[in-house]
Amino acid sequence: RKEVEQDPGPFNVPEGATVAFNCTYSNSASQSFFWYRQDCRKEPKLLMSVYSSGNEDGRFTAQLNRASQYISLLIRDSKLSDSATYLCVVIPSFSGGYNKLIFGAGTRLAVHP
Amino acid sequence: SAVISQKPSRDICQRGTSLTIQCQVDSQVTMMFWYRQQPGQSLTLIATANQGSEATYESGFVIDKFPISRPNLTFSTLTVSNMSPEDSSIYLCSVLDRAGANVLTFGAGSRLTVL
Repeated sequence: RKEVEQDPGPFNVPEGATVAFNCTYSNSASQSFFWYRQDCRKEPKLLMSVYSSGNEDGRFTAQLNRASQYISLLIRDSKLSDSATYLCVVIPSFSGGYNKLIFGAGTRLAVHP
Repeated sequence: SAVISQKPSRDICQRGTSLTIQCQVDSQVTMMFWYRQQPGQSLTLIATANQGSEATYESGFVIDKFPISRPNLTFSTLTVSNMSPEDSSIYLCSVLDRAGANVLTFGAGSRLTVL
């Protein structure tokens, strides 16, 4: 089983739609979680961190479910510019100093007019 | 955030040759990381490059195939040696966005195609 798994998509949604992605992780001791965004032929960039209490940033909401070992990303009122691949990132454990990030393969979102 | 310049941005190479990718950061950083992203797959950490010591390689990656240099706190190179078509991938360098936050900033990547 992969450490971090995502539905590759693509999710094809019209502008204005609400769309949600899930990401499951295998290590129950995982400590930190993030969503990154990667545009076509570009490098990944941090979208948001995922806190235990969940967090919201404008149209984006991230949630963590430790019991079921998944994190989610909800995008409301989708824009054409939201079209990208969304990467789930997990830090499995803390070992002092730098903590290795594990990336999912990404979920592709295509927003159409 | 740190600004990372990576080059070449892309290259097409012949089987059996080697290519060196350069990564320049606009600030001093302790660790630099080299990732590989194969088509449709997740980013995979190749190695961590520390200034003044040998790079630390992840399982499945070896120094003979991916030698790394880290001559100072703002620069690193990754060489892909004796290339085969399976090495066709995007190679990205990255640094920690800010100390203790475990957030990475990436260079734009080097898209390598091996014929």
